[in-house]
Order: sequence, then C-alpha cells, then structure tokens
Amino acid sequence: KAGVTQTPRYLIKTRGQQVTLSCSPISGHRSVSWYQQTPGQGLQFLFEYFSETQRNKGNFPGRFSGRQFSNSRSEMNVSTLELGDSALYLCASSLTGGNNEKLFFGSGTQLSVL
Amino acid sequence: AQSVAQPEDQVNVAEGNPLTVKCTYSVSGNPYLFWYVQYPNRGLQFLLKYITGDNLVKGSYGFEAEFNKSQTSFHLKKPSALVSDSALYFCAVRDTLGGVGGYQKVTFGTGTKLQVIP
Repeated sequence: KAGVTQTPRYLIKTRGQQVTLSCSPISGHRSVSWYQQTPGQGLQFLFEYFSETQRNKGNFPGRFSGRQFSNSRSEMNVSTLELGDSALYLCASSLTGGNNEKLFFGSGTQLSVL
Repeated sequence: AQSVAQPEDQVNVAEGNPLTVKCTYSVSGNPYLFWYVQYPNRGLQFLLKYITGDNLVKGSYGFEAEFNKSQTSFHLKKPSALVSDSALYFCAVRDTLGGVGGYQKVTFGTGTKLQVIP
C-alpha cells in the first residue's frame, strides 16, 4: 500500500510569488491535514479537510489556503510569499480524522523563500 | 484550549542506558495522546497512543509511555537506548472536548532531539 505522497520535494521561490503544494493520501483515507514545521516552533497546524470540506483551521493568515478533491487528494496554496514562510510543509492522512486515529505523514515539501 | 509542552529541547543518553523524553499536556476534557518520531529528512512516524485504559502504553521499536492523569504527563520511555533511536520526538494531544463537530485538531509539542551516544 502506497504511503502519503507529497510533491514537489523541494521548492525555491522568491518573495511575492505564490506556490502550490500537493498531497496524495493513503488509498481509502478521507482526512488530510497540513502542518508547517520550523526549527524551534515544532509543528503548527494549518488546516484539515474531510470529504472536500475544511473541517478545522489553524491560526495562519488568509494567504494560506487549501482544498481537497473528490479523490481525497489535497493541495495547499500560499500566496504573496514572505521570507518567514520558509519551512517544511507536512501533509498527513487518516481514515476519517477521528480523534483517536493515528496520522500517516508524507516526507514533506521543503519550501525556501529567497 | 488544548496544549502540550516538551520541556527539553535535547536529551543525551548513553547507548544501553534507559531513556525518558518528557511531555505534559493541558486539555478541557480528556486527552488522546500520541508520540511520533522524525528521522532526518523524513516525515513523522507514529510510535504509540493513549486513548483510555491501561496507563502504560507499549509501542513500536521497544518504546513505551506512561499516562499520569494527576501530573498531566505522558513521558516516553525505553529501557535500553540504541544509537538508531537518535531522532526528533514529538508529543501530540487531542482534546475530547471542543473542535468542530467533535473533531479536534492535533496540537504538537515543539519536539525533543534525542541523541544516543555510542
């Protein structure tokens, strides 16, 4: 069974640009969540999608957005990039997003903003 | 609101010695608690979870964690450390109260780097 797949693995952008990250969950998983990882800050929750609907949202500005498609694949978009957006972006999937479910993580997309 | 704290940025332990990585939490209801491990340039991998029942939870790679409700702690332990255990460890919590439609986001700690010295 394939794991969670994130593309691309690395991205280099300049300030002001926008970027789209992609995540394909494990087959059969309908919940996808996104996290930003930076040194010293740990993992910060961005948002969670289930059945194409955003179910939970973290405390990030509106420049960060996402969506989920009918096949459960998800994309995350960041507009007007800032230097502080440089981070590892992790996607995780689970069956239904239930509170007692473990998360399966992808390897992440390393975003560098110059 | 839920929160989790990992008070140590780094833990150093000699190979063969027991290890402990600390985690404390705060929730309004009851906690669902998780430990994840991250190896260099990799995503996180699930180690173990506490939902209810026995306070001592056993997980992957010989790790275990003890849930202590009075101290609101969920420390990760291993009787004998291996060099290959060197990695970044994250504690995470989900509250049984709150969230949207009963679904709560996951809150992670800032992580503890475990260094096992040969």
